[in-house]
Formats: sequence, structure tokens, C-alpha cells
Amino acid sequence: NAGVTQTPKFQVLKTGQSMTLQCAQDMNHNSMYWYRQDPGMGLRLIYYSASEGTTDKGEVPNGYNVSRLNKREFSLRLESAAPSQTSVYFCASSENGQGAHGYTFGSGTRLTVV
Amino acid sequence: GNSVTQMEGPVTLSEEAFLTINCTYTATGYPSLFWYVQYPGEGLQLLLKATKADDKGSNKGFEATYRKETTSFHLEKGSVQVSDSAVYFCALASGGSYIPTFGRGTSLIVHP
Repeated sequence: NAGVTQTPKFQVLKTGQSMTLQCAQDMNHNSMYWYRQDPGMGLRLIYYSASEGTTDKGEVPNGYNVSRLNKREFSLRLESAAPSQTSVYFCASSENGQGAHGYTFGSGTRLTVV
Repeated sequence: GNSVTQMEGPVTLSEEAFLTINCTYTATGYPSLFWYVQYPGEGLQLLLKATKADDKGSNKGFEATYRKETTSFHLEKGSVQVSDSAVYFCALASGGSYIPTFGRGTSLIVHP
């Protein structure tokens, strides 16, 4: 099925460990996004990529890095995980940054840092 | 900057009741407006959208009308079902910005 695929779906990390969350879309979308969702906080933008070859910080970028590997893939890396990074992470994409046709979300990665 | 304000939840209704979830926005230019739905354990799914003033978006019995004069995009459904229980997000995309703006989400609980 066409859409946004995130891996892994669940992950438990120890404080200080690193990991990369993977995201791939097969809709030929130009723009991609990483969000975190915490209870009572709604969605918060971590990083986004308006087009292949560009990345920019969102609202809460500290502790994260991203790579737009190609037009399809946009990964999120935690270099040294902290308990405050326990969250549900969503990747999204849109045809273009203006999103007039909406945004397509993946099913999420549920990350726990202990 | 852009912002979206939606009513706080949870909204609790009985099956077949009428639903309204309020959403107001501030934005530069002429934004596109969206409602997304998130079922438990899943990602957000686009429910409906409207791209210009007075447009009505509709899907699965849900409707919302783009009201430029009141900067609102309220979500309505005439008769809710238990299966509509989810979190609903109002959002906007404004020309010139690559960053969509989402509301905090409103939880809907429908009892049989």
C-alpha cells in the first residue's frame, strides 16, 4: 500500500544509547517531517525537509539529528538517548511544503528510554 | 505566526448524538484547512480538507466549512457512532510556509 512506512514500531533504549528511526514514503512527495507526540502536548515538530537535499529545525530539535538520504527516505537519529525523549514519533510527508493536498503520516514509533 | 485553537476535550457523547468540535485559526494569507483523525495506536489520517473560503469539506459523515469571516473550521457530524471515538486534530497549511500548524487535538469518546 502506498504511504509512509516507519521502522521500528517499538523500541526500548537505555539512557545514553543511540538509535536511528527510519522513514520512507513511496508517493514521490517532496517534503518530509518528523514529529513527536506526548500526552497533553499535541504534535511537536522536530525537524523537516522541504525538499531533497535540505533539512531545517522545527520546534524541538535538541538531542536529534536528521538525514534526508534521498527523496524517499528521511531518518531521525538520537545520538545519546535521554528519558525525556520517551515519546511516540511520527514521520509525515506532503507533495510540497504548502501541503494543500494534506499530509500523510506513518503509524509511529513508540520509543521508551529507561 | 500561524496558530490553531481547538476546544479541549474530552468530548463525551452518546451514540447518535450530534457532534461539534470547534476550531479557530490565525494565519497569514489564505491557508488550506484540514481535519485529521487519530485512532488509538495509529498515526493521523486526513479526514477532510478545504482550500478556500466557503468551501465545505466532507467525508464519512463529517463536515466542516471554511469560514474566513470568523476564521473558523468547525467539525460536525449529525449522528456519531462508537467507532468515531478517536482524537481529532484541526490543522492549517499556509502558502509560503513549509511547516503545517496543528491544534492540540480533541479527544472524542462515544458511548453506546
